[in-house]
Amino acid sequence: QKEVEQNSGPLSVPEGAIASLNCTYSDRGSQSFFWYRQYSGKSPELIMFIYSNGDKEDGRFTAQLNKASQYVSLLIRDSQPSDSATYLCAPGSGGYQKVTFGIGTKLQVIP
Amino acid sequence: NAGVMQNPRHLVRRRGQEARLRCSPMKGHSHVYWYRQLPEEGLKFMVYLQKENIIDESGMPKERFSAEFPKEGPSILRIQQVVRGDSAAYFCASSPGDGGLDEQFFGPGTRLTVL
Repeated sequence: QKEVEQNSGPLSVPEGAIASLNCTYSDRGSQSFFWYRQYSGKSPELIMFIYSNGDKEDGRFTAQLNKASQYVSLLIRDSQPSDSATYLCAPGSGGYQKVTFGIGTKLQVIP
Repeated sequence: NAGVMQNPRHLVRRRGQEARLRCSPMKGHSHVYWYRQLPEEGLKFMVYLQKENIIDESGMPKERFSAEFPKEGPSILRIQQVVRGDSAAYFCASSPGDGGLDEQFFGPGTRLTVL
């Protein structure tokens, strides 16, 4: 079992729709969860983090965490073509919160 | 406040040469991480360093690769006797290391091409 599993996609959604990106992780010791966005040819950019069960909202983004199910998701409301990128799920664990990156889900927002 | 800086942005080497990649963390950050990303693949952790200390090098190949973060100056990732399979994007990230959430911020990366 991979440490972090994401559907590589591409996930295609029409402009204005909700994009739902999912991630499961295997390390029950994971304590913090990061979502990064990576545009093609660019470096990852931190967009959200969550460490408590439940939902966390920031603008059009909502991160959801269920530690019992070892599942974390990212919802993007009112998707825009500029949201088209690869989204990396990254649980952190260990004494210094070592982050393990998933392969990422490629999101395509169709105008 | 300048972000994480990496240089060079692009590096071309012939097989057998050495590649030296530099990373300056964000101001106030004392932790540095190196990652490698192959085309169409995910980010792979290589090494985690604090000033003058390697904390975790579990993702670093045992041969040809080394990293340092001296008391003064940038962190250096060194690849000796490069091979074509070393061609990849190498990203550096830094974090505050202040005992908080310790989120990592990435530099623009160095694209290494081995001919």
